[in-house]
Amino acid sequence: DGGITQSPKYLFRKEGQNVTLSCEQNLNHDAMYWYRQDPGQGLRLIYYSQIVNDFQKGDIAEGYSVSREKKESFPLTVTSAQKNPTAFYLCASSMGGQETQYFGPGTRLLVL
Amino acid sequence: AQSVTQLGSHVSVSEGALVLLRCNYSSSVPPYLFWYVQYPNQGLQLLLKYTTGATLVKGINGFEAEFKKSETSFHLTKPSAHMSDAAEYFCAVSRLNTGGFKTIFGAGTRLFVKA
Repeated sequence: DGGITQSPKYLFRKEGQNVTLSCEQNLNHDAMYWYRQDPGQGLRLIYYSQIVNDFQKGDIAEGYSVSREKKESFPLTVTSAQKNPTAFYLCASSMGGQETQYFGPGTRLLVL
Repeated sequence: AQSVTQLGSHVSVSEGALVLLRCNYSSSVPPYLFWYVQYPNQGLQLLLKYTTGATLVKGINGFEAEFKKSETSFHLTKPSAHMSDAAEYFCAVSRLNTGGFKTIFGAGTRLFVKA
């Protein structure tokens, strides 16, 4: 079955800690995205990557970092610089920038 | 700047009634238009999309949307609501920008279906 997976489903972060959210796809898609979802605010783009070894900042990149070393994988690190990290994080992929995006099930990040 | 406006953060309908979720966009060129649905604690999934051609687009689960260029609208409809339609719905616009295509999502409309 082709699809996009995210892990973990729930993640707890302590003050000053960096945490990494995993995103893997086996759809052979070139483009991958990370979104943050807060209640009543829709989806906000954090980072996106159109090709391996290349990525661009989205609208709210501060306090986050990514890497794209493999086509299948696009992990997101929430750094200690992100002061309000509690949110639902969604990863997506697509064939190209204008195409349908396929979403993972999400990771809910909570701060202890 | 490109934007997407969904009118009404919450819409409530009775089971069997018409569903109408409104979406307006601003774009200087015809965009690609999408509707996605999100069930609680899940990712989004595509309902339907408009790229070119016929302006009335049919999607999954009996939903359809009509692209009206003159009104810059892409409203989502379903003739008869079902309890299982209760979810959050997102309108999205994608168009070519410097650096490639960019997709903008609306704030979402939560649909409640009353028995």
